[in-house]
Amino acid sequence: ELKVEQNPLFLSMQEGKNYTIYCNYSTTSDRLYWYRQDPGKSLESLFVLLSNGAVKQEGRLMASLDTKARLSTLHITAAVHDLSATYFCAVDASNDMRFGAGTRLTVKP
Amino acid sequence: DAGITQSPRYKITETGRQVTLMCHQTWSHSYMFWYRQDLGHGLRLIYYSAAADITDKGEVPDGYVVSRSKTENFPLTLESATRSQTSVYFCASRGARITEAFFGQGTRLTVV
Repeated sequence: ELKVEQNPLFLSMQEGKNYTIYCNYSTTSDRLYWYRQDPGKSLESLFVLLSNGAVKQEGRLMASLDTKARLSTLHITAAVHDLSATYFCAVDASNDMRFGAGTRLTVKP
Repeated sequence: DAGITQSPRYKITETGRQVTLMCHQTWSHSYMFWYRQDLGHGLRLIYYSAAADITDKGEVPDGYVVSRSKTENFPLTLESATRSQTSVYFCASRGARITEAFFGQGTRLTVV
């Protein structure tokens, strides 16, 4: 059965610093998603990665996918307070989209 | 309005009662999903559907029933609610080719 693991689960960053969130998964898939969730809110799609080597960037966030290593990363560049949220990766192996436990990011001034 | 909507947004029910959570989408998306979100567990897939009249179990289907007689609706029923089913429930949909999934606003269910 597909397992999706994220780390770290909690991340406290200083503004202006860089950091990476990791997402590992257990079975073959070439479809990976990153979502953001603010407290008490629904999930907002950030990135959809559909092939090995895919890289997408939006503002201070950049996501990449290595299907051979079964690994995706979400890199945060020069963090700002507005990025504070919980970030989830999700993997779609059989059209059933399974989520990791999430990374709660707090960006401090 | 186009989109995906869940109802009710909040629900309190008693142990043993049947309760149905509704999910409606206006895009005619093929795929629909139900998740529950609990602290420490992220989102866990309960059931999903690839099309009308096609449903499959996810990670945590026990105690839940779904149906999909129409493409746009995907209700989730708790046949006999238990306290362990207290959670926030999210519905999502995506098209067969459009890979991005869209989420409803969630239903906060409390079983007392």
